[in-house]
Amino acid sequence: EVQLVQSGAEVKKPGESLKISCKGSGYSFNSYSIGWVRQPVGKGLEWMGIIFPGDSDPRYSPSFQGQVTISADKSTNTAYLQWSSLKASDTAMYYCAGKAVADIRAFDMWGQGTMVTVS
Amino acid sequence: DMQMTQSPSTLSASVGDRVTITCRASQSISSWLVWYQQKPGKAPKLLIYKASSLESGVPSRFSGSGSGTEFTLTISSLQPDDFATYYCQQYNTYPWTFGQGTKVEIK
Repeated sequence: EVQLVQSGAEVKKPGESLKISCKGSGYSFNSYSIGWVRQPVGKGLEWMGIIFPGDSDPRYSPSFQGQVTISADKSTNTAYLQWSSLKASDTAMYYCAGKAVADIRAFDMWGQGTMVTVS
Repeated sequence: DMQMTQSPSTLSASVGDRVTITCRASQSISSWLVWYQQKPGKAPKLLIYKASSLESGVPSRFSGSGSGTEFTLTISSLQPDDFATYYCQQYNTYPWTFGQGTKVEIK
């Protein structure tokens, strides 16, 4: 079964750093691009960025450029989203989502979400 | 960024109703639009891709249409499982962008 499994909920203080993960299984690393989507509690979806297999240069939304870092580890088929200095406004649910390379379906696979609370 | 505007923001409907949600793009996106359904506490689920193609396993009462800047999601006969929030998203241009969502509530 093709799936994405995200790391668990986090509670952090403002100014702390954080790295959350999204581990893929059931497919090869080069088969999927992985994106990240933010959803503040009770609000809509915000596209943050995407990383392509074999490409070390992610694409970011201007709203998140410089605020977060997206990376991936081919050896473990895992994508990451990290912050160097969290703010209270980073409190949200974060989803990773997969788009199959050379597929026309956008994000057809989603992780279960990681709740990040900064307080 | 490409702006995606959904209407209405909230929709009250009854089981069996025909429901239509509209999504407008600020520039032409050809047919590079998807629709997702999201239920409380769950990740979004892909319903429609490339504006009008039904994702495998999605009931045929869901359909999508449109191209360019105007798109619609139609539920032909609303079922109890369909009460949820629906989002459009363009994937023509980076950054991909979502509409603000349409919540379908029980009337």
